[in-house]
Formats: sequence, C-alpha cells, structure tokens
Amino acid sequence: SAVISQKPSRDICQRGTSLTIQCQVDSQVTMMFWYRQQPGQSLTLIATANQGSEATYESGFVIDKFPISRPNLTFSTLTVSNMSPEDSSIYLCSVEGYTQGFGEKLFFGSGTQLSVL
Amino acid sequence: DQQVKQNSPSLSVQEGRISILNCDYTNSMFDYFLWYKKYPAEGPTFLISISSIKDKNEDGRFTVFLNKSAKHLSLHIVPSQPGDSAVYFCAASVTGANSKLTFGKGITLSVRP
Repeated sequence: SAVISQKPSRDICQRGTSLTIQCQVDSQVTMMFWYRQQPGQSLTLIATANQGSEATYESGFVIDKFPISRPNLTFSTLTVSNMSPEDSSIYLCSVEGYTQGFGEKLFFGSGTQLSVL
Repeated sequence: DQQVKQNSPSLSVQEGRISILNCDYTNSMFDYFLWYKKYPAEGPTFLISISSIKDKNEDGRFTVFLNKSAKHLSLHIVPSQPGDSAVYFCAASVTGANSKLTFGKGITLSVRP
C-alpha cells in the first residue's frame, strides 16, 4: 500500500488567484497522478507526473492552467492558476501501490476541497 | 461523453440485506474494471476488481459480476453493514494503462441499522 499526505485539505480562494496543492508519498514512486472531481461529476485525470520530466496532460487540461512540479520520487505539487468558480472541485493526488490479491492499484490522497469565490 | 455510467445516484438498504450497485460502460476497449469506495473527507480506496476474462470475482462480502455482452457490471455486498455507507465509484481501464482510470459519477450507499 501507499500512504499519501495531501495539503491543504480545503481552501477558499478568490477569483484570479492561484493555489498550490502538495502531495507527499511515504515511498518512492515513478509516477504520480492528479485527478479532479467537479461537483456531481466523476473523477477525471488531469495529468501524470514523472520525476525528471514534464508532466503529461490529458485532453482538456493544459500546463499553463495546471502547472505541476515533481522534484523527487516522493513529492509533487499541482497549481491551479488564475482560478475561476469553475475550478471549484476536489483535487486528488494518487500513486500506484500494491494490494493483497489484486496487484498494483491506484491509491488516493484525502483530497483538497477547493472553493473559488 | 460519459464512458462509465452509474445511473442511480443513491441506494438505501437495510442492514443485513444485499446491496447491488450497478455500472454500465460504453467503450468496448475497456477490459479491466474496478470499484472504489469513498468516505467523506477521505480519498477513494480500492475495493475489488475484475478482468474481462472473468465474469465473477469475490472478496469476502464483496462480489463483482461482469456481463461483457451487456457492457454491465455490478457490485454485490452481502450482508450489508452500516460501515458500508459510502460513495462507490465504478472505474474502467484498458490493460496496460491500469493507472489511467475512467470513473463513473458514483453511487451513495446508505445502510440503515
């Protein structure tokens, strides 16, 4: 398994500002993933962060809006830039970890509840 | 375009009875399916999964059934317990891209004591 610490757990931000979310894992991992869950919607993958290279973004997400850092094998940050109310979501960090009987599966942090006014 | 659909937003069952949570998918390329459970203020946690080469997989009180021809899967919880009250997400992936999951919107299960 993997233990993921994510902070802040929640924040209320003003339109036009930026927020950086931190994700710390208790073991070294090759890839870290950032997901978003908008209200009433499913979890959607934003990007995959590899250490030492630029993040790979999914369709509909761009680096200017969601810059990601991956300085080492246990840490990553996601910044939500120039926020608007549409960015109000839960943002989740995840990594692959071992599960008994089911192999490698995604583990998630507790999430960051972001509200943009 | 929702490729994984959980059409019922909520389900309420009596403690001790069976809970059946349904999920449909549209992408025929999906060949691996998972269920995650989420409590408030926590991240989703992996519950059970099934490969498309199987039609049933069990783990204790949890059983997942897969009907490939109908592009439908279901999660059965027997017997249901109050601690099972949570949001359940169905997810799907293509083999080799197991970290790239497509999720449904989730079903809120309430188990009444």
